[in-house]
Amino acid sequence: DTGVSQNPRHKITKRGQNVTFRCDPISEHNRLYWYRQTLGQGPEFLTYFQNEAQLEKSRLLSDRFSAERPKGSFSTLEIQRTEQGDSAMYLCASSLGSGSVPQYFGPGTRLTVL
Amino acid sequence: AQTVTQSQPEMSVQEAETVTLSCTYDTSESDYYLFWYKQPPSRQMILVIRQEAYKQQNATENRFSVNFQKAAKSFSLKISDSQLGDAAMYFCAYRSANNNNDMRFGAGTRLTVKP
Repeated sequence: DTGVSQNPRHKITKRGQNVTFRCDPISEHNRLYWYRQTLGQGPEFLTYFQNEAQLEKSRLLSDRFSAERPKGSFSTLEIQRTEQGDSAMYLCASSLGSGSVPQYFGPGTRLTVL
Repeated sequence: AQTVTQSQPEMSVQEAETVTLSCTYDTSESDYYLFWYKQPPSRQMILVIRQEAYKQQNATENRFSVNFQKAAKSFSLKISDSQLGDAAMYFCAYRSANNNNDMRFGAGTRLTVKP
């Protein structure tokens, strides 16, 4: 069973550097979501794609953040000029459709900004 | 905006006993979906159970069941015959039927299972 995978699992970077994370969703899933989870909190929605189109972005997604899903398969999330406040777990999820259809989550990428 | 509240940061249960995790939400919508997700330590989040708001019957999945009270905007999770593997963070989540791209999560409840 191939679930959602994310790479890298951990990333430590210095403030001001750029980082990029990758998410590979379940192969037939047309929807892909990015969330951010800080310690002691539930995930917060960042953005979502339907196929290759980015259809919604949260106000949490500042202009330093950009996400792509170029061929409707894997997605990347880039953070430019990282800040210490960006330290969090970044979760990716995918689903086939919407509504009550569950989202399947990846293991996350833990970002630490020094 | 919809908000989800989990008022119990931590809960513990004896193995084989039953525990109930609380969740309330705030919404003005009539059509939506509710979920409970489990996040074991250092492992990915998995769906435990889901409920469509238009269904009056409470959802059940083996040892897991919900008590959905739409008027009270309450969605509690009951775990029966608790097992050591149930130890995890449990998140309640709300998803609008009108804007179902955005799932709102509560802050979570950490469940400890005592042998």
